[in-house]
Amino acid sequence: KQEVTQIPAALSVPEGENLVLNCSFTDSAIYNLQWFRQDPGKGLTSLLLIQSSQREQTSGRLNASLDKSSGRSTLYIAASQPGDSATYLCASGGQLTFGSGTQLTVLP
Amino acid sequence: DTAVSQTPKYLVTQMGNDKSIKCEQNLGHDTMYWYKQDSKKFLKIMFSYNNKELIINETVPNRFSPKSPDKAHLNLHINSLELGDSAVYFCASSRGLAGGTYNEQFFGPGTRLTVL
Repeated sequence: KQEVTQIPAALSVPEGENLVLNCSFTDSAIYNLQWFRQDPGKGLTSLLLIQSSQREQTSGRLNASLDKSSGRSTLYIAASQPGDSATYLCASGGQLTFGSGTQLTVLP
Repeated sequence: DTAVSQTPKYLVTQMGNDKSIKCEQNLGHDTMYWYKQDSKKFLKIMFSYNNKELIINETVPNRFSPKSPDKAHLNLHINSLELGDSAVYFCASSRGLAGGTYNEQFFGPGTRLTVL
């Protein structure tokens, strides 16, 4: 059964820093990996989807990578802004198995 | 335009009652899902429907019964509500089957259910 882990659980950085969020999964036979952000009291917003045949996806200041052999995915956020403050969730598999999230705070 | 919508946004009810949560998507997707987010913010899939057919039914009490009148709607009916049912319930949809190529999932805003 797929297990997804996100470390750290919380991260606080000053505005302008580049940062990396980590996601690891136990079953390398994944279909895809999807990154979401969740703002307090809100639903999930899809950020990036990486298909199993891909190694990375980019959208604006966000870049997500996927290494199936090591069971890891990273979300790179460039030039962080206070508006990036949210909980970031990764999820893998056909039926999405979620990690517990990383709560990011970007300080002005 | 709201892509995936849920009603109500908040639901407060007494133990033992029966309640429903409605979900609609206007994306033309074939697959819809229900997820539960518990008090520790952990998200877990409950059900998945593809073209009105049940695809996934995780270990969920049979007090929970999804109903899909058409491809655009997947409602969640809960009988005999218990305290432990208190959570945020999210509806989601994707163009294709979970595990397929076009399976990026889009989520609704959630319904916060509180059972007293």
